[in-house]
Amino acid sequence: GAVVSQHPSRVICKSGTSVKIECRSLDFQATTMFWYRQFPKKSLMLMATSNEGSKATYEQGVEKDKFLINHASLTLSTLTVTSAHPEDSSFYICSASGLAGMGEQFFGPGTRLTVL
Amino acid sequence: QKEVEQDPGPLSVPEGAIVSLNCTYSNSAFQYFMWYRQYSRKGPELLMYTYSSGNKEDGRFTAQVDKSSKYISLFIRDSQPSDSATYLCAMKASGGSNYKLTFGKGTLLTVNP
Repeated sequence: GAVVSQHPSRVICKSGTSVKIECRSLDFQATTMFWYRQFPKKSLMLMATSNEGSKATYEQGVEKDKFLINHASLTLSTLTVTSAHPEDSSFYICSASGLAGMGEQFFGPGTRLTVL
Repeated sequence: QKEVEQDPGPLSVPEGAIVSLNCTYSNSAFQYFMWYRQYSRKGPELLMYTYSSGNKEDGRFTAQVDKSSKYISLFIRDSQPSDSATYLCAMKASGGSNYKLTFGKGTLLTVNP
């Protein structure tokens, strides 16, 4: 099956610093990657859709200058949380989708961000 | 009315029971339907993916789609404690890779040994 990894799995940072999260598709080429945020006991909230080589499309209410997304290759996308604040603490999950099949989305294991 | 409705549960069943999980939706454009399983503090795992109406079976799991009623189901036979997780339904209008999913809120299932 398709495998998506995320790094780091957990990160704790101080308020005001920036944090980068990597999402990699390990065994397929991901033409599209999605970034989600999930609060405890809540469903997934889509933040942005990223196509390789293009600027990301952000969902309404998501600050693009705060959540920087780069999708420079078919196997790697990064999410940078800039000037993080405690309210940015959350579980961030990426998913990846390729051209094969019916555009299935395969999810990474998630990254838990805690901002002190 | 939300696009996708899913009873959040929680649902608690004894080991070996047949579990039925359901979602309803309002957007008739949805053609592709998925079920994901999410363990606590993990990313969702794709269980079943179906196109249009009909049934699909994979081991102990059966997915059903009834587009005329805008209703989808996931059945788990011979449920095991390891099936304890949150189950999310998801759907989209196109099979293209860049189409975003619309999720239900998820149903928390506990299978008791």
